[in-house]
Amino acid sequence: QSVLTQPPSASGTPGQRVTISCSGSSSNIGSNTVNWYQQLPGTAPKLLIYSNNQRPSGVPDRFSGSKSGTSASLAISGLQSEDEADYYCAAWDDSLNADVVFGGGTKLTVL
Amino acid sequence: EVQLLESGGGLVQPGGSLRLSCAASGFTFSSYAMSWVRQAPGKGLEWVSAISGSGGSTYYADSVKGRFTISRDNAKNSLYLQMNSLRAEDTAVYYCAKAPGLRIRDIVVVVAWGQGTLVTVSS
Repeated sequence: QSVLTQPPSASGTPGQRVTISCSGSSSNIGSNTVNWYQQLPGTAPKLLIYSNNQRPSGVPDRFSGSKSGTSASLAISGLQSEDEADYYCAAWDDSLNADVVFGGGTKLTVL
Repeated sequence: EVQLLESGGGLVQPGGSLRLSCAASGFTFSSYAMSWVRQAPGKGLEWVSAISGSGGSTYYADSVKGRFTISRDNAKNSLYLQMNSLRAEDTAVYYCAKAPGLRIRDIVVVVAWGQGTLVTVSS
């Protein structure tokens, strides 16, 4: 059971806009920034969004992030076939055993 | 170009030990916190351990505390993970991960990942 909760799957057709949610608590998302990672099949993860809504250099502006209270969302607009991947949210958790917590991951399928 | 190259994975029996290494290049190694993140087969990501740029601060996930030890040699641009008392549930691909800064809390943002090394714990 992951500390951060994501839907196990999401899907969309090319060109569509899809969103992936990430739900946490006051000790993680509620008090820290959220980061998103993309993992293409058979590869290492890649940083997609950091500090809630910042894109690293090279990440298309089709990808955007937001946070409100103890939840965060990743939005992908103009969906493309190469976006088919697993997506993970992550945040620092300030509970007793402070550490990094990940969501369980969302598998995005482009139909 | 930042490069992280893990090594040391393999098959080990339950209760055994293994030492993972990560050779870093393309950046000033001592200026960045580093961590290990693992992924069990078909499962999600799990943070394992982290170390500050100087090596003076370390953190461990509860699942590995007391069994795993993270260390670094800044002179050799290398990160290590000593894994003892290994269990079947430690079976995973272990990734070496670079933070954007030298503090432990910076490791929540992984700006570079290695290709991973597979550790299989089985009799």
